[in-house]
Amino acid sequence: RKEVEQDPGPFNVPEGATVAFNCTYSNSASQSFFWYRQDCRKEPKLLMSVYSSGNEDGRFTAQLNRASQYISLLIRDSKLSDSATYLCVGLNTGGFKTIFGAGTRLFVKA
Amino acid sequence: GAGVSQSPSNKVTEKGKDVELRCDPISGHTALYWYRQSLGQGLEFLIYFQGNSAPDKSGLPSDRFSAERTGGSVSTLTIQRTQQEDSAVYLCASSLDAGGEQYFGPGTRLTVT
Repeated sequence: RKEVEQDPGPFNVPEGATVAFNCTYSNSASQSFFWYRQDCRKEPKLLMSVYSSGNEDGRFTAQLNRASQYISLLIRDSKLSDSATYLCVGLNTGGFKTIFGAGTRLFVKA
Repeated sequence: GAGVSQSPSNKVTEKGKDVELRCDPISGHTALYWYRQSLGQGLEFLIYFQGNSAPDKSGLPSDRFSAERTGGSVSTLTIQRTQQEDSAVYLCASSLDAGGEQYFGPGTRLTVT
């Protein structure tokens, strides 16, 4: 079983839709979590950190459920510019071994 | 401010040659990470530096791969006797400290012919 698993998608949604991604992790030693977005042939860019209390940044909401070992990302009012691959990331205790999920591809269509 | 920079941006080399990839992290960032991304694949963690030391080198794919960091800043990833399967984008990231948010450079696209 992969340490961090994501539904690869693709998710095809119309503009304005709400879309949710889940990511599960198997290593309970994972302490820090993040969501990144990666555009085609570009480097990953940090989208947001994920906190146990949940956090929101505009149209984006991230949640962490330690008991069930999953993190989620909710995107409201999808824009064409949200089309990208979304990567969830876990770091182990000590913060050095970083495990990226394989990514979930999102296509937002007009 | 300046972000993470990497050089070269593209490198084409013949099988069997050695290559050296460079990463300049964000100034003041103590943690530095190297990753590899093959076409259409996810990111593969290679190695991490805290300051100049690398606590865990187990992510390096083979003994042909080595990395160092000097002065707590610039890092180089060296691949000896390159093979075609080494072709990938090599990404570097830095963070203020271990466990923090990582910021990526644009990567070096390596092609081994």
